[in-house]
Order: sequence, then C-alpha cells, then structure tokens
Amino acid sequence: DGGITQSPKYLFRKEGQNVTLSCEQNLNHDAMYWYRQDPGQGLRLIYYSQIVNDFQKGDIAEGYSVSREKKESFPLTVTSAQKNPTAFYLCACGGPYGYTFGSGTRLTVV
Amino acid sequence: QKEVEQDPGPLSVPEGAIVSLNCTYSNSAFQYFMWYRQYSRKGPELLMYTYSSGNKEDGRFTAQVDKSSKYISLFIRDSQPSDSATYLCAMSPLLNTGGFKTIFGAGTRLFVKA
Repeated sequence: DGGITQSPKYLFRKEGQNVTLSCEQNLNHDAMYWYRQDPGQGLRLIYYSQIVNDFQKGDIAEGYSVSREKKESFPLTVTSAQKNPTAFYLCACGGPYGYTFGSGTRLTVV
Repeated sequence: QKEVEQDPGPLSVPEGAIVSLNCTYSNSAFQYFMWYRQYSRKGPELLMYTYSSGNKEDGRFTAQVDKSSKYISLFIRDSQPSDSATYLCAMSPLLNTGGFKTIFGAGTRLFVKA
C-alpha cells in the first residue's frame, strides 16, 4: 500500500540532546513537508523540500534541520537550539491540491 | 490578521444534525481549497479538495468556496458520532517559480453526540 510513514510514534528528548524524526513515503511525490502542531495553533511549517537535495525554511525553522538525499526520505532533526520542542510533529507529501500526512511523532522533553 | 481564520469551537451537535464549518481568508491569490479531518493523536486526512469557486459534493460532505467573500464552508449531513474530530481548512495559491505554501486554519473541534 502507498503511504507515508513516520517513526517513532513517541520520542523523549533530554535537555541538550539532538533527536531525529524519520519520514518515509512511497507515493512518488517530489514535495515533502514538516509541520509542528501545538494545541490551539494549527499546523506551522518547519521545512519543506520540492526536490531531492533542495529544501527551504518554513515559518519556524530555527532549531531544526533537515536533509533530502533521497526522494522517499525527509528526516527532521530537532537540535538543542530548539528551546521548546515538545509538540506533535507531522510529515506530509503532496501538492497544492492536498497532502497525505503521516501518523505523527509526539516529542516530549524530559 | 492571520491569513486564514477558523473558529476553534468546540462545536457540539446531536447525531443526525447538519454541521456547518467555515473559514475566512485574506489572500486573494488562494486558488486551491481543502478540508482535512484529524482524529485525536492522528495525522490529518484529506476530505475534500476544490479548485477556485463553486461546490463539490462527496457523500455526506459538501464543500463550498465563495471567492468574492473569501469564505469557504464544509457541510456534513446526517452527522454521526464517528464524525467527531477536528476539521482543518487549508488553502494554497497558484504555483509560481517560488513554489507554493499551503496555509492551514487552526481547526474546529466537532463533537457529535449519540
């Protein structure tokens, strides 16, 4: 079945630690996105990539980094510079006519 | 002013009611309009997609776009408890050399009581 897979489902980060969230898709989409969702704030765009080896910052890129070495994969690293990383992270792929989202990763700072 | 405004609710209705969910927007460049449904602790799923103005129907769901008023709506007929979720509107401008960026509303929480 075609789809988009995020892992892990839950992730705990210690202070000062970098963590990487995985996103893999087999829908053959060129464009992939990372969003952060906080209660009452909707979806905020962190980074997006419209082609392999290219990506752009979204509205809240500070403290995050990404890579796009393969069409299928778009991992997100939450660095220690992100001061408030506790949130629900969503990866998506698709076009202006609609996205397919993954099931999300809930990141908690401990 | 946010580009997309959506009442967060919660909206509580009895089973079988007609539900009306709405969003307003300020950017006249938006041409693609979407509605997503998100269950708790899950990723959003695309419900409806409309290009430019007009209506689109899919089963119990009808999406309307009024570009002159910058207003979009999602109607759910014969609402069911399984429709209880958060509904997000989203919209995108036409493609340009800089790509595009879909803007999401904050979502409306809907509860359908049995």
